Amino acid sequence: QQQVRQSSQSLTVWEGETAILNCSYENSAFDYFPWYQQFPGEGPALLIAIRSVSDKKEDGRFTIFFNKREKNLSLHIKDSQPGDSATYFCAASGNSNNRIFFGDGTQLVVKP
Amino acid sequence: AQTIHQWPVAEIKAVGSPLSLGCTIKGKSSPNLYWYWQATGGTLQQLFYSITVGQVESVVQLNLSASRPKDDQFILSTEKLLLSHSGFYLCAWRQGNQDTQYFGPGTRLLVL
Repeated sequence: QQQVRQSSQSLTVWEGETAILNCSYENSAFDYFPWYQQFPGEGPALLIAIRSVSDKKEDGRFTIFFNKREKNLSLHIKDSQPGDSATYFCAASGNSNNRIFFGDGTQLVVKP
Repeated sequence: AQTIHQWPVAEIKAVGSPLSLGCTIKGKSSPNLYWYWQATGGTLQQLFYSITVGQVESVVQLNLSASRPKDDQFILSTEKLLLSHSGFYLCAWRQGNQDTQYFGPGTRLLVL
């Protein structure tokens, strides 16, 4: 059973729009949810993360909205830029921070 | 200065040949270390993690093994490569009291 699911394999938006990437998880014990951004040929880089005690985390143009009851979260990218075109991975971990579960990724394309 | 180095950058190997991939962390004391495998266009699959020198925990083996000979070094290896070993291998580190894992630049492996 997949522990973390991302609802879209790919998403295309126009420059300036808000991109919304959705994620859900299975295990209620997960309490830390990072989003990683990966460009082709590179390792993933941490973009923004949230803990389950919060329902929102904002960092510049990036915001995570978290719903513990529904076990889902979303990443909003405001004012999307072509340079935001990348694959975004939602991930989750619990008490054992040594085990982290990744979703399948959403490939975002921002058209100029 | 880059904290995490992986070597080699890329490899082309024959089926049945041995493999050794390396990861070095600089400037971090006693980090937790991780190996991941990523198929082209795929998600990140955690393979191994290590909390301390000489100790390695297996998550998914995939006919691979890992060792931690030094505090700042993590090695991934196999004696006999399979075609299915092709992909992108990523090393990551985490400081023990932090939540986030940080990834290296990766090694691209092609098995023919």
